[in-house]
Amino acid sequence: DGGITQSPKYLFRKEGQNVTLSCEQNLNHDAMYWYRQDPGQGLRLIYYSQIVNDFQKGDIAEGYSVSREKKESFPLTVTSAQKNPTAFYLCASSIAGAGGSDTQYFGPGTRLTVL
Amino acid sequence: GIQVEQSPPDLILQEGANSTLRCNFSDSVNNLQWFHQNPWGQLINLFYIPSGTKQNGRLSATTVATERYSLLYISSSQTTDSGVYFCAAFYNQGGKLIFGQGTELSVKP
Repeated sequence: DGGITQSPKYLFRKEGQNVTLSCEQNLNHDAMYWYRQDPGQGLRLIYYSQIVNDFQKGDIAEGYSVSREKKESFPLTVTSAQKNPTAFYLCASSIAGAGGSDTQYFGPGTRLTVL
Repeated sequence: GIQVEQSPPDLILQEGANSTLRCNFSDSVNNLQWFHQNPWGQLINLFYIPSGTKQNGRLSATTVATERYSLLYISSSQTTDSGVYFCAAFYNQGGKLIFGQGTELSVKP
């Protein structure tokens, strides 16, 4: 099946820990994105990558880091510098990187809770 | 900054009723998408509609780019239509998709 997978579905983190959220796609899409969603809110862009080995900060990149070593993978690390990391994290991908106006498709999300 | 505003914020319908959701955006857009977020959080693509009208079953959408708004119509609503509906607009200048705050729809049997 083609699609976007995220793991884990639920993640609990102690304060001061770094955690990494996985995002994999087999759609052969060039561009990938990470969004954060807080309760009752829309999505906000954390980071995006239009091509392998390149990525750009979104609106709320502080306290997060990413890598894009393979076309199909775009992991997100939530570092201890992120002051309020409890949220729902969504990964997306789209066909073309340049411009970014193509349809974006979303994974099922990861719910992160800080204990 | 560029804004995407949705109305109404909440909507309760009886099964079988029709509804219209609105999305206003503050600048010219290259891409306008409608999504449905189900109760488990999954975002489902409904329409990619920078302009014009599209239909898919009981759902249809219209974007009037010159007047900076888009409408999502749901006809003969079903309980499975419940969830949050988001519109998101892509602006070339910013290079990113900007989401509205969503309309939470609840369809009662």
